[in-house]
Amino acid sequence: AQSVTQPDIHITVSEGASLELRCNYSYGATPYLFWYVQSPGQGLQLLLKYFSGDTLVQGIKGFEAEFKRSQSSFNLRKPSVHWSDAAEYFCAVGEGRRGTGNQFYFGTGTSLTVIP
Amino acid sequence: NAGVTQTPKFQVLKTGQSMTLQCAQDMNHEYMSWYRQDPGMGLRLIHYSVGAGITDQGEVPNGYNVSRSTTEDFPLRLLSAAPSQTSVYFCASSRRGVDEQYFGPGTRLTVT
Repeated sequence: AQSVTQPDIHITVSEGASLELRCNYSYGATPYLFWYVQSPGQGLQLLLKYFSGDTLVQGIKGFEAEFKRSQSSFNLRKPSVHWSDAAEYFCAVGEGRRGTGNQFYFGTGTSLTVIP
Repeated sequence: NAGVTQTPKFQVLKTGQSMTLQCAQDMNHEYMSWYRQDPGMGLRLIHYSVGAGITDQGEVPNGYNVSRSTTEDFPLRLLSAAPSQTSVYFCASSRRGVDEQYFGPGTRLTVT
């Protein structure tokens, strides 16, 4: 089975500082990769996705992520964090299955705290 | 568009009771899925559907049933609730299989 690892359970950064959230995956073929954000009591919202092509992808709210096949990683970055970025962040891998559809595997999440 | 809607928002059940969590989407999406979210576990896929009349099991299907009679609706049934099913349940939909998923607001279920 595929797996997604987010090694950092919780991260605290100061407002204005840069941010990098780590994500590693286990998947045989080229994966479909996603980052989602979840605010307290809310559902998940897509930040960005990677399917193919340019390995540096831009997302909403100033986030970007870089796909590195050699490291099986898809780390999320933001140059300057805002207080409103405090939330839970999930990395996910989509697996295509011929004939029956697809499954998604989520990491356990990284909780981000932003201090003023 | 309302997007993905879920009802109820909160539910308390006693062990052994059954209930149905409702999910609907108005985006004409083919793919719909149910997840449960538990602390420290992330989201785990329960069941999914690639279109009306077609469903399949995800990572943690035991104790849950689904059906997809229309494109819009994808209810999740708990046959005999157990305390281990205490969780937050999210429904999601996407235009096609491996694509951006749109999530509902969630249902917080407690089984006593």
